[in-house]
Amino acid sequence: QKEVEQNSGPLSVPEGAIASLNCTYSDRGSQSFFWYRQYSGKSPELIMFIYSNGDKEDGRFTAQLNKASQYVSLLIRDSQPSDSATYLCAVRGGQNFVFGPGTRLSVLP
Amino acid sequence: DAGVTQSPTHLIKTRGQHVTLRCSPISGHKSVSWYQQVLGQGPQFIFQYYEKEERGRGNFPDRFSARQFPNYSSELNVNALLLGDSALYLCASSLEYMGQGAAGYTFGSGTRLTVV
Repeated sequence: QKEVEQNSGPLSVPEGAIASLNCTYSDRGSQSFFWYRQYSGKSPELIMFIYSNGDKEDGRFTAQLNKASQYVSLLIRDSQPSDSATYLCAVRGGQNFVFGPGTRLSVLP
Repeated sequence: DAGVTQSPTHLIKTRGQHVTLRCSPISGHKSVSWYQQVLGQGPQFIFQYYEKEERGRGNFPDRFSARQFPNYSSELNVNALLLGDSALYLCASSLEYMGQGAAGYTFGSGTRLTVV
């Protein structure tokens, strides 16, 4: 059973701080990695994807991938209350596109 | 340009009944996947269809079935509903198989199914 694990949270950070969200996966053959944001009662929306080891930056978001450690993270700089949501890590490999349980982030004004 | 559309948005059914959920992918997208999301959990993969053929099936009982039509729209059917089937059912479309490519999946707004 291919698994994707995340800390369910809630993770609380003050406004303006850096939020760090982590994800580990079990399938070493996984090829690509996605972060989705899901507001309460809404559907997931894609924030970032990453394929290669290292960092990938997009505005206030940075995705980090370490395939040797089977670890992917999402950093949110200058966190805003509007970033409060559940963040889902998704991993694609072979015939599978698997989501983690999500981490609930709360940014406090 | 329309995104992924799902209908209905909300549905209440009684145990033992049957339900059909519908999804229209983004124009030009040939892949449709269905996910079940129980409150507080991540989406769980049910089915994937690509070019009208089933390409993947998750760990769900045979009460769940789906199909994709020539226009790439899709239906998810659930028979003999159980209380545990209450969830948000998400349809995701992608241009290519298994959400390949930079865009990954684009999700519809979902159908909230409540079984009483």
